Amino acid sequence: GEQVEQLPSILRVQERSSASINCTYENSASNYFPWYKQEPGENPKLIIDIRSNMERKQIQGLIVLLDKKAKRFSLHITDTQPADSAMYFCAASSGGNNKLTFGQGTVLSVIP
Amino acid sequence: EAAVTQSPRNKVTVTGGNVTLSCRQTNSHNYMYWYRQDTGHGLRLIHYSYGAGNLQIGDVPDGYKATRTTQEDFFLLLELASPSQTSLYFCASSNRGGNTLYFGEGSRLIVV
Repeated sequence: GEQVEQLPSILRVQERSSASINCTYENSASNYFPWYKQEPGENPKLIIDIRSNMERKQIQGLIVLLDKKAKRFSLHITDTQPADSAMYFCAASSGGNNKLTFGQGTVLSVIP
Repeated sequence: EAAVTQSPRNKVTVTGGNVTLSCRQTNSHNYMYWYRQDTGHGLRLIHYSYGAGNLQIGDVPDGYKATRTTQEDFFLLLELASPSQTSLYFCASSNRGGNTLYFGEGSRLIVV
């Protein structure tokens, strides 16, 4: 199977600073790494993903980095806003079993 | 956007009780999943399915059964509910493995 470790569990940053969340995985066959955002009382929603043929992907203020050698991937939110306050989950899957394994989650608070 | 509907949204049952959580998706997705969300554990996969009549075991299946009756409908069954199954349950669907998961609104279950 797959195990995904996510840190930190709680992250507080000042508005307009950057926030970084890190995840590690165990299965070298994993090839798909999405990030989900969950606002209070809502369901998780995909915000950005990266596949194993890429090392970096950016969508506006979201940057995802993938280091396959270290089995590590990370989400960087630049110029944070209070609206970025939410729970964030990383996840990993290998195409073989179609299972998506999630990390434990990070509660991000952006302080005005 | 994909539509995934769960019912009931809230349920309280007694220890030893019988509970069925229902999920319907209307986007012709092949894959459906049941996750539970608990603080400190993130989202953990209980069961998933590739299509009608198919069932795959997830990472935390003990105490749960599931059945996929049609492409649209996926049910999670707790035949002897225990307090440890108190949780927030999410159903999700995707058109194939390694693709975006679309989550339902969640079903909060309390076992007293």
